[in-house]
Amino acid sequence: DIQMTQSPSSLSASVGDRVSITCRASQSIFNYLNWYQQKAGKAPKLLIYLASNLQNGVPSRFSGSGSGTDFTLTISSLQPEDFATYYCQQTSSMPLTFGGGTKVEIK
Amino acid sequence: QVQLQESGPGLVKPSETLSLTCSVSDDSIRTHYWSWIRQSPGKGLEWLGQISNSGSTEYNPSLKSRVTISVETAKKQISLKLRSMTTADTAIYYCVRGSSSWYQYFIHWGQGTLVTVSS
Repeated sequence: DIQMTQSPSSLSASVGDRVSITCRASQSIFNYLNWYQQKAGKAPKLLIYLASNLQNGVPSRFSGSGSGTDFTLTISSLQPEDFATYYCQQTSSMPLTFGGGTKVEIK
Repeated sequence: QVQLQESGPGLVKPSETLSLTCSVSDDSIRTHYWSWIRQSPGKGLEWLGQISNSGSTEYNPSLKSRVTISVETAKKQISLKLRSMTTADTAIYYCVRGSSSWYQYFIHWGQGTLVTVSS
């Protein structure tokens, strides 16, 4: 299985901050990586697919980058509605696997 | 916008088989891949398996052959069976629509159903 490691596991930030979350794969997954946002009590929401493609309707303050084993999700200016948990997910090989999540909290 | 609704027992005894059904609101059941994903309380996401639009299945080896996913196209339903349940299987179970091709990304999720394993 491909292991996905996210860092940090949690972070505190203020509204307006630039936030970056990293995801590292245990082997190359090319650009076969998705990012999701999950709020408490809700199902995850797709933000980014194929590492850098913004899903329809997702604000442009979200961006993704990376290829191979190292990926980054960046929120350029954190908004109140962005406080949530973020997960990466690889689709390079079976089984599909998720990172452990990064919880973004209010400072 | 497709709607997905999971149904099934909220409580299962250890060693029993969990059976969940996902009802799909449109005909995309014929054209898309369908996955089951679970989330243990306070934990991360675990992909259980998928069924493709051609009927082929892939399962997570971590489940050690306990899982079966099937589709009933006429009823617009996807089913999950998970055998030999233990307390470690307590989780929210999501029915999820994937894409229509091999590259899987998950836009449409059911609301999730909490399954508790307890005697």
